[in-house]
Amino acid sequence: DTGVSQDPRHKITKRGQNVTFRCDPISEHNRLYWYRQTLGQGPEFLTYFQNEAQLEKSRLLSDRFSAERPKGSFSTLEIQRTEQGDSAMYLCASSPRPRGGSLSYEQYFGPGTRLTVT
Amino acid sequence: GQNIDQPTEMTATEGAIVQINCTYQTSGFNGLFWYQQHAGEAPTFLSYNVLDGLEEKGRFSSFLSRSKGYSYLLLKELQMKDSASYLCAGGKHFNKFYFGSGTKLNVKP
Repeated sequence: DTGVSQDPRHKITKRGQNVTFRCDPISEHNRLYWYRQTLGQGPEFLTYFQNEAQLEKSRLLSDRFSAERPKGSFSTLEIQRTEQGDSAMYLCASSPRPRGGSLSYEQYFGPGTRLTVT
Repeated sequence: GQNIDQPTEMTATEGAIVQINCTYQTSGFNGLFWYQQHAGEAPTFLSYNVLDGLEEKGRFSSFLSRSKGYSYLLLKELQMKDSASYLCAGGKHFNKFYFGSGTKLNVKP
């Protein structure tokens, strides 16, 4: 399978616990995005990596959220001290590096990790 | 702000043409993107516009007017499998994307 993969697909946790999600982008895609999506809403931007550098982070993201992409390949998203409001689908997407001087703008989304905080 | 507005829901008939509108009130968007999302699945890329005008990709076309803050997605020869949510998104320097809430399209026989 050469698509974006995410692990786990589902996570149920109790309020106050920490959770970590993993995203493996399409091989050699240098751009990686994290989003959060709740029912009936579009994806909400969380953060963006170009290679290993985190270049954008949403102001909506509290300090309980942190993301890393240590070697410019896979990425992790950690939520500390989870709250019920964190229950959502967490989506990862990647985009390829520019070719021939032109950017490729489309994002390829993974299947998501559904988080339920009880 | 980055308000992106789309109709919540639309219904159209198989074989027909449907236009899904998207308006936005922001400056700084470098491109306008359209994604399709079937229930319970991840979004898939359909089309984007960087410049004003119409971009055609098979049965799907997308239009952008940057001065009016307006885009639309045109779906021709509707098929039942086109029943899905259609998401409009603005890209800021392609580092950050703002999605609308999506338009749920119901295609009926």
